[in-house]
Amino acid sequence: EAQVTQNPRYLITVTGKKLTVTCSQNMNHEYMSWYRQDPGLGLRQIYYSMNVEVTDKGDVPEGYKVSRKEKRNFPLILESPSPNQTSLYFCASRSAGGYSYEQFFGPGTRLTVL
Amino acid sequence: AQSVTQPDIHITVSEGASLELRCNYSYGATPYLFWYVQSPGQGLQLLLKYFSGDTLVQGIKGFEAEFKRSQSSFNLRKPSVHWSDAAEYFCAVAGTSGTYKYIFGTGTRLKVLA
Repeated sequence: EAQVTQNPRYLITVTGKKLTVTCSQNMNHEYMSWYRQDPGLGLRQIYYSMNVEVTDKGDVPEGYKVSRKEKRNFPLILESPSPNQTSLYFCASRSAGGYSYEQFFGPGTRLTVL
Repeated sequence: AQSVTQPDIHITVSEGASLELRCNYSYGATPYLFWYVQSPGQGLQLLLKYFSGDTLVQGIKGFEAEFKRSQSSFNLRKPSVHWSDAAEYFCAVAGTSGTYKYIFGTGTRLKVLA
């Protein structure tokens, strides 16, 4: 089954404790992206990657890091989480081929930073 | 600046009634346009998309949307709403220049009365 998976689905942590949210897709997509969803703000792009070793900042990159060492994986790293990073996070991927531009989303990771 | 506006934060309709969710965008050229639905506790599912051609596009679950260039709008419609349509709906635009830039609206939460 074609899908984007994220782990963990739920995470409660404390300020300053480094964490990683994993994202993996099995569709051989070139493009991957991370979003955060906050009430009243919709989805905002954090980082995106156009291919292995190619990443760029989205609209709200502060406090986050990403890496793309393999095509299928795109982990989101919070080196020193703060309470304002409490949010619902989505990973997404899409193919670079054709004109689809359709993104496929993971199920989301709900993060709480105390 | 590129933007997507969903002017209605909440909409309540009775089951069986018609529905129209509004979406206006600001973009330098004709972008690719999307509507996504997010059911409670779920990820995002693509309802429909517009790239070019016929300005009335059909999607899944009986939804349709009409692209109106003169009004910079891409409103989502359904002739008869079902209780299972209660969810949050997001309009999104993507650039056509090859960049991986998605912009989402802030969402419209739909409540369906039995």
